[in-house]
Amino acid sequence: GAVVSQHPSWVICKSGTSVKIECRSLDFQATTMFWYRQFPKQSLMLMATSNEGSKATYEQGVEKDKFLINHASLTLSTLTVTSAHPEDSSFYICSAPGQGPRISYNEQFFGPGTRLTVL
Amino acid sequence: GESVGLHLPTLSVQEGDNSIINCAYSNSASDYFIWYKQESGKGPQFIIDIRSNMDKRQGQRVTVLLNKTVKHLSLQIAATQPGDSAVYFCAETLMDTGRRALTFGSGTRLQVQP
Repeated sequence: GAVVSQHPSWVICKSGTSVKIECRSLDFQATTMFWYRQFPKQSLMLMATSNEGSKATYEQGVEKDKFLINHASLTLSTLTVTSAHPEDSSFYICSAPGQGPRISYNEQFFGPGTRLTVL
Repeated sequence: GESVGLHLPTLSVQEGDNSIINCAYSNSASDYFIWYKQESGKGPQFIIDIRSNMDKRQGQRVTVLLNKTVKHLSLQIAATQPGDSAVYFCAETLMDTGRRALTFGSGTRLQVQP
């Protein structure tokens, strides 16, 4: 099946620094990718929709200037958490919907997640 | 914003028993539903899906039931195994919007006792 990877798998940073998380579709192209955030013992909450070649669409309450999204190619979307603070510590997960003749329309492929800890 | 201090409801079953995990979804217009399994520190893993024109779908050891009248989904796992221990989420979406983002339910932790 299709694979989505994320890098890094975990990161620890100091408060005030910026952190970039990469999401790659390894064997298929993804014009759209989704970024979710998951706090401990909670569900996944959609943060934004990343669109290749255009601006990301952010969900209500998500600061676009704090969570910068770049979808520069058909296989890569990046999420940059700028001026990170301890409350940004969370599990960040990306996903990409299946596209192309080999992949079911219905399928959505999730990355393994990135654990961000801000000290 | 997100709530803090939430605890996932937990279903504890004996190995070999059948498990039933329930989910109430939010949008009556949603027409596609998926169950995911999430192990600690990992991304969600697809289990089974169902479209709104169906009320039941079976997979290997799993069955999903959909009741659109009360906006309820259930996941039945037959002969539950220790490897089934994880958090289970239902998710809903609209297939024809072109964006296919998912809205996740609150999740249930399944603990399988050997």
